[in-house]
Amino acid sequence: AQSVTQLDSQVPVFEEAPVELRCNYSSSVSVYLFWYVQYPNQGLQLLLKYLSGSTLVKGINGFEAEFNKSQTSFHLRKPSVHISDTAEYFCAVSEVGRGSTLGRLYFGRGTQLTVWP
Amino acid sequence: NAGVTQTPKFQVLKTGQSMTLQCAQDMNHNSMYWYRQDPGMGLRLIYYSASEGTTDKGEVPNGYNVSRLNKREFSLRLESAAPSQTSVYFCASSVQTATGGLSYEQYFGPGTRLTVT
Repeated sequence: AQSVTQLDSQVPVFEEAPVELRCNYSSSVSVYLFWYVQYPNQGLQLLLKYLSGSTLVKGINGFEAEFNKSQTSFHLRKPSVHISDTAEYFCAVSEVGRGSTLGRLYFGRGTQLTVWP
Repeated sequence: NAGVTQTPKFQVLKTGQSMTLQCAQDMNHNSMYWYRQDPGMGLRLIYYSASEGTTDKGEVPNGYNVSRLNKREFSLRLESAAPSQTSVYFCASSVQTATGGLSYEQYFGPGTRLTVT
């Protein structure tokens, strides 16, 4: 079965500092990988996704993530954060071509990013 | 396009009451999902519908039923609400295709905040 581990439940950083939010997954098959962001009292919004091709994926708001198959990781990074990046971030995984479970997402427990002035 | 819409936005129920959460999408997506979000638990899948006419249990289906009314609509019913069902409920939809340009990401509604007293 799929599992997704977000290694940090809370990440506090100062404005303009770099940040990395870590995500590891386990799966016996090929996967697609996603990062979502949730601002307070809102639904989830897709930040970026990895389906195939280049392992470095760029998303919205200056975020990027790197897929590392050997380490089964998909860490999210931003070189310089803003206060407006304060939100909860979720890593998610979907198995490739698994019949009725096609497209089903497995989520990590989330990382709360708080950016201080 | 409205995307994914959910009604109601807020609801308070007494233990034992029943209610139906409504979800509709206008993106012609095949698959639809219901999640619940609890603090520190991430999103947990309740039920999903890979295509019109099919539904499957997710991780936490007990106490819930679903109906895929047509391609657009997917409702979640609580027959006898319990305090443990106090949560934020999200509906999502996605399209899975086997052709080029496939897109497995899910699009989320704004959520329903349910309190059971």
